[in-house]
Amino acid sequence: GESVGLHLPTLSVQEGDNSIINCAYSNSASDYFIWYKQESGKGPQFIIDIRSNMDKRQGQRVTVLLNKTVKHLSLQIAATQPGDSAVYFCAEKGGNTPLVFGKGTRLSVIA
Amino acid sequence: SQTIHQWPATLVQPVGSPLSLECTVEGTSNPNLYWYRQAAGRGLQLLFYSVGIGQISSEVPQNLSASRPQDRQFILSSKKLLLSDSGFYLCAWREPSTGQLHEKLFFGSGTQLSVL
Repeated sequence: GESVGLHLPTLSVQEGDNSIINCAYSNSASDYFIWYKQESGKGPQFIIDIRSNMDKRQGQRVTVLLNKTVKHLSLQIAATQPGDSAVYFCAEKGGNTPLVFGKGTRLSVIA
Repeated sequence: SQTIHQWPATLVQPVGSPLSLECTVEGTSNPNLYWYRQAAGRGLQLLFYSVGIGQISSEVPQNLSASRPQDRQFILSSKKLLLSDSGFYLCAWREPSTGQLHEKLFFGSGTQLSVL
């Protein structure tokens, strides 16, 4: 079946460096993508979303890039801070179907 | 601003006991409401969603049920808990006027349920 997955389950980044979290998807009909941040014991927190008619979208210190040709999504975090340490989930959907979540990538920021 | 409240934060229940988890949203009207379950080290699984009072859609057959007795209240229930019902339960909402169904969900703080 079609699913959303992740290239790396864990990522360690030096404080101040940029982080890139990757996500691959297989559903060619997906037209909406979203990133969440989840800290331990808490609910997922919305970061940024993007539609398939866009290749890039920027937020505060974050950028989401979408490459529909290779079905790849990435989240870039600029100047990573200790508070960015968390598990990051990507999710995708097509039409009115529910979001399909990946298993997550754990980001650890080294001070 | 909108806020979502979910309680309790943690719950330990014996097998065979009933369950009731409550979720309420403030600051919005007629939100879309969702219940998700998150098993340890795994992604989120959609259990139920609701687009209005009394309207419940079930995504997976299971031992659980959901109800929406009021516009901003969503309840997850079980008559008899199973060991496999253990997990982290998350309520979520979205503003129906923005985007399509299931887009841009905002999650509550979750309930960690342990069935022993």
